[in-house]
Amino acid sequence: AQSVTQLDSQVPVFEEAPVELRCNYSSSVSVYLFWYVQYPNQGLQLLLKYLSGSTLVKGINGFEAEFNKSQTSFHLRKPSVHISDTAEYFCAVNPGNDYKLSFGAGTTVTVRA
Amino acid sequence: DTEVTQTPKHLVMGMTNKKSLKCEQHMGHRAMYWYKQKAKKPPELMFVYSYEKLSINESVPSRFSPECPNSSLLNLHLHALQPEDSALYLCASSQVQSGEQYFGPGTRLTVT
Repeated sequence: AQSVTQLDSQVPVFEEAPVELRCNYSSSVSVYLFWYVQYPNQGLQLLLKYLSGSTLVKGINGFEAEFNKSQTSFHLRKPSVHISDTAEYFCAVNPGNDYKLSFGAGTTVTVRA
Repeated sequence: DTEVTQTPKHLVMGMTNKKSLKCEQHMGHRAMYWYKQKAKKPPELMFVYSYEKLSINESVPSRFSPECPNSSLLNLHLHALQPEDSALYLCASSQVQSGEQYFGPGTRLTVT
């Protein structure tokens, strides 16, 4: 089974500052990687995905992530956050040919004015 | 359109009640999922349907009974639940088994 580690459980950040959320996974084979965001009292929304190709992936709402195979990481970044980015962020991994997503424990991002 | 809809949004039920959660998608996805999510935790997979057949049951208690009437609909029938079953129940769908999953808004279930 895949193991996904989100290295920061909580990230407080000021409005218009950059943010990076770290995600590492355990795998010796090719994987598919995802970042989801969950706003309070809502479902999960797909931010971005890496399936193959360019290691720099751009998603919605100004987010991007970089796949690093040698470090088995998929860190999420945004150069300038807004109050509305306050949410829970989940990194998820699929080993391929599998229905199951392995989720990290989540990172709570709180954006302050 | 990447929308998955779920009804109801909120549900309060007693331990002797029978109720159902409903999920619908019109993206032509052939895999549909039920997840349970406790506060401040990631979603936990409960069931997977692939081409309208139950593909995965993650050892879920029989008081939860899934049903897939057709390729667009997924139900979760609830009976004799326990207070610890109170949670957010999320439905999701995907085009293929390893592709991205699209989630619905969830049903907030409270068992009294």
